[in-house]
Amino acid sequence: GENVEQHPSTLSVQEGDSAVIKCTYSDSASNYFPWYKQELGKRPQLIIDIRSNVGEKKDQRIAVTLNKTAKHFSLHITETQPEDSAVYFCAASKSNYQLIWGAGTKLIIKP
Amino acid sequence: NAGVTQTPKFRVLKTGQSMTLLCAQDMNHEYMYWYRQDPGMGLRLIHYSVGEGTTAKGEVPDGYNVSRLKKQNFLLGLESAAPSQTSVYFCASRPGRPDEQYFGPGTRLTVT
Repeated sequence: GENVEQHPSTLSVQEGDSAVIKCTYSDSASNYFPWYKQELGKRPQLIIDIRSNVGEKKDQRIAVTLNKTAKHFSLHITETQPEDSAVYFCAASKSNYQLIWGAGTKLIIKP
Repeated sequence: NAGVTQTPKFRVLKTGQSMTLLCAQDMNHEYMYWYRQDPGMGLRLIHYSVGEGTTAKGEVPDGYNVSRLKKQNFLLGLESAAPSQTSVYFCASRPGRPDEQYFGPGTRLTVT
């Protein structure tokens, strides 16, 4: 079945630096790739998503890139701020019912 | 719009007791999901529904049952709670095509 691997499991960066989280997926039929942010004790919330007909998408300090040939996609956060500290989850989906989730990355922003 | 709501927010059960968690959404979404999240872990799908009157098993369905009698509600039942079911339970919903899943605030369940 579909599998999504996410790396690293923990990422610590200096405030103001960039952070990159990578995910690989196994099913080439996957066509929807969201990223969720979960702050401590809160619900997961979508921060950005990309569909397979697009290679890159940006929203202010956040960007996602997709490489369909290599079957991987990445989340890029620039000019990191303390409020970026959270757990980030990637996921992948075909045109069906389920999202296949990555295991999560704990992002720590050092002051 | 309230979005996705969950009842209750917290619950403590003793081993063997039963309970029902209620999820409600007011966005007219077709698909609804129940996940569990153990401390420091990711989301694992328990059951899901693709429409009123339908349910299907996810990754970890054992020990749980679900019902979707009305489009806006998705119920998760524990017939005989076990300590291994101590977790945070999230409900989510989304429209028909692959798109954002909207999560409820979660229910923190402890089974002693």
